[in-house]
Amino acid sequence: DAKTTQPPSMDCAEGRAANLPCNHSTISGNEYVYWYRQIHSQGPQYIIHGLKNNETNEMASLIITEDRKSSTLILPHATLRDTAVYYCIVRVRGGYQKVTFGTGTKLQVIP
Amino acid sequence: GAVVSQHPSRVICKSGTSVKIECRSLDFQATTMFWYRQFPKQSLMLMATSNEGSKATYEQGVEKDKFLINHASLTLSTLTVTSAHPEDSSFYICSAIGDSPDTQYFGPGTRLTVL
Repeated sequence: DAKTTQPPSMDCAEGRAANLPCNHSTISGNEYVYWYRQIHSQGPQYIIHGLKNNETNEMASLIITEDRKSSTLILPHATLRDTAVYYCIVRVRGGYQKVTFGTGTKLQVIP
Repeated sequence: GAVVSQHPSRVICKSGTSVKIECRSLDFQATTMFWYRQFPKQSLMLMATSNEGSKATYEQGVEKDKFLINHASLTLSTLTVTSAHPEDSSFYICSAIGDSPDTQYFGPGTRLTVL
């Protein structure tokens, strides 16, 4: 079973920030939070990952709560091309660990 | 980010034939590769995990004799769907991870249609 839970769908107005939540209450101390997104009929695209500190890159920001039981992916200025299914997973860095994907959040960016 | 390729991107075959899908890590050595299957409007389902030079570990319910996985090198893994049937029609996605980078990257997927 997936170790994360996400809302099934969200809408966001174009140009506004999209905030996608994820719960991972059973995360282990050495597991990172990873975010991917999947645009229709494509393979998942890596977005960002973090352990406990907030992270930012050219695509998004990741906010992880102090107890690490939840996180939020922030797309600062959503565009229509950001419409996709966003998956939050937890795993150790590298290594053999297999990961089960949950159902993700379908983000619809509205013009 | 690192690049993972798959070939072919789409394939149509007749029932009873075998189909081979290749997955390559183009700019890093993949110590572990994963194969997923995705049906319409569903999430990715892990089929198997393979380490280079070792036999693949299959998830419960996945027939190892039907879905043959070979991970012969650090940059190549293949999935062969043997005696394909229409119910095997799906979107197959591979993923790779190495020591550097140690992030899991995904291929673009292969759309298999069995007639």
